[in-house]
Amino acid sequence: NAGVTQTPKFQVLKTGQSMTLQCAQDMNHNSMYWYRQDPGMGLRLIYYSASEGTTDKGEVPNGYNVSRLNKREFSLRLESAAPSQTSVYFCASSLPRGGPGGEQFFGPGTRLTVL
Amino acid sequence: SQQGEEDPQALSIQEGENATMNCSYKTSINNLQWYRQNSGRGLVHLILIRSNEREKHSGRLRVTLDTSKKSSSLLITASRAADTASYFCAMTNDYKLSFGAGTTVTVRA
Repeated sequence: NAGVTQTPKFQVLKTGQSMTLQCAQDMNHNSMYWYRQDPGMGLRLIYYSASEGTTDKGEVPNGYNVSRLNKREFSLRLESAAPSQTSVYFCASSLPRGGPGGEQFFGPGTRLTVL
Repeated sequence: SQQGEEDPQALSIQEGENATMNCSYKTSINNLQWYRQNSGRGLVHLILIRSNEREKHSGRLRVTLDTSKKSSSLLITASRAADTASYFCAMTNDYKLSFGAGTTVTVRA
């Protein structure tokens, strides 16, 4: 099992460029999440997908879009990147056992710099 | 804004000592989880405590939860150099986790 994988690992963009961060999990989990982590801070939820076919906004959704492509894959798109979106992005998934709010499994992260 | 606050922000201890960190939160929760993050890596789940539980153990970890005070603590006993990491509490509400800012623990050999 690879767990949660993310591509790319690193990316540098210029202001206004667009890109898609890819995430895939092979644990047959129902729920998937995108977070961002800024220096000295915990993770903040951008978007989540409680199950295949649904997506919902988290705490900081502005400037992002997501697609739950299938049960395995959940992508995050920046349509017009801004320097404020410089961050480390983490994807996570969870089953969740017995209902919402279970243990989440995290990918290794994508370090994004917007110049 | 983040729901959780952790204290202290940073902690430096000698190998073999215990490390205690605290987490306070603002609203009701389904459960509370603790995660570890090694430098430059993703988060790893350590332990989950449900809102109707008061204490839970896992190996060298002990977690307490006081819902009346909206607070939790994580104790790492007999620390090792490999415990050097950032530790985050995360409050669960429905499908979402809200993370605290974390406690950075340094274990000196």
